Amino acid sequence: KAGVTQTPRYLIKTRGQQVTLSCSPISGHRSVSWYQQTPGQGLQFLFEYFSETQRNKGNFPGRFSGRQFSNSRSEMNVSTLELGDSALYLCASSQPEGGLRNEQFFGPGTRLTVL
Amino acid sequence: QKEVEQNSGPLSVPEGAIASLNCTYSDRGSQSFFWYRQYSGKSPELIMSIYSNGDKEDGRFTAQLNKASQYVSLLIRDSQPSDSATYLCAVKDSNYQLIWGAGTKLIIKP
Repeated sequence: KAGVTQTPRYLIKTRGQQVTLSCSPISGHRSVSWYQQTPGQGLQFLFEYFSETQRNKGNFPGRFSGRQFSNSRSEMNVSTLELGDSALYLCASSQPEGGLRNEQFFGPGTRLTVL
Repeated sequence: QKEVEQNSGPLSVPEGAIASLNCTYSDRGSQSFFWYRQYSGKSPELIMSIYSNGDKEDGRFTAQLNKASQYVSLLIRDSQPSDSATYLCAVKDSNYQLIWGAGTKLIIKP
């Protein structure tokens, strides 16, 4: 079974631009979660999507948005990029039908650098 | 504010010894507990999940859960230099939200 894939793997943008990141979950997984990871900050939860609906949202400004398609693929968008948005963006997929026991599996991440 | 706490380390352990990583959580209603390993510059990789009190063993790894004391630990036996990484503890709380610890950096010294 193929794992979680994320594209692109690396991205360099300048302040004020916007960016779209893509995530394809493991086949059969219908939940996708997005995280931001910066050095010393740990994993910061952005949002979770299930069946094309945002189910949970972390404490990030409205510049961060996402969506999920009917095939469970997900995209996240960051508008008006700031220097502080430079980070590793991780996508994780899971089978939410497992309830409390569902495990998250991560993609390789997209490393975003904002200049 | 529900929290998961880990000692940030670094925890330095000689090769061949047992590495012990600890995690405490605040939500007494939490039911699912996960350990992830993350190498520098890579994404987290699931090592173990545990749901019941007691020990769960998988190869050189043993997860221990004590719900009464609200802690979960990960033991790594016969530590190898390749075990050097940051270990993340994650807890699924009573609202089905996954709460992450900040991670413990483990260094295995040859």
